[in-house]
Amino acid sequence: EAGVAQSPRYKIIEKRQSVAFWCNPISGHATLYWYQQILGQGPKLLIQFQNNGVVDDSQLPKDRFSAERLKGVDSTLKIQPAKLEDSAVYLCASSPPGAGNYNEQFFGPGTRLTVL
Amino acid sequence: GENVEQHPSTLSVQEGDSAVIKCTYSDSASNYFPWYKQELGKGPQLIIDIRSNVGEKKDQRIAVTLNKTAKHFSLHITETQPEDSAVYFCAASIASGYALNFGKGTSLLVTP
Repeated sequence: EAGVAQSPRYKIIEKRQSVAFWCNPISGHATLYWYQQILGQGPKLLIQFQNNGVVDDSQLPKDRFSAERLKGVDSTLKIQPAKLEDSAVYLCASSPPGAGNYNEQFFGPGTRLTVL
Repeated sequence: GENVEQHPSTLSVQEGDSAVIKCTYSDSASNYFPWYKQELGKGPQLIIDIRSNVGEKKDQRIAVTLNKTAKHFSLHITETQPEDSAVYFCAASIASGYALNFGKGTSLLVTP
């Protein structure tokens, strides 16, 4: 089965510019996650979708970050305006539906963002 | 919120030796503890997981143990091989479908 797809793989921007990342989850996976992974640290959740609804966005810096998952499939994560501290790898993950199951999260390769 | 501590941050072993990585968590409500392997330029990949109703789980050269009373869990890799070299992350989650809280990772180097 095809894995989680992300694009672009790399992005370099200057501070105060805008950037958008795209994620295509594994077909049929209802839950989609965006994580931020700063160099030398573990991934940290930014936002979680269940189909096209937001389940958890408590750690999303809403003054500059936004995300959507129209039609419950693909998702985009946007940063506007970017700050130096936003330099990180942005990982998208998805997991299959199934209430009561501890569903594995499958991760994409990530987008490495460098803010200069 | 949940806080996951992971040790050591770096680990170097010789091929064939065992490697042990330890994690502690703070939220007693956590019930799911996966371990991920991340190779350079790739996303994390699940290698083994354990639920709160199980104390130990093994899959070939990899095993995980869980002590819910002490709130710690460990990853054991036996007969290490150079291809085991990667960054390993432990994580904890309170329930199905909830986000994972990751440790800071352990960089494992297996030298021939």
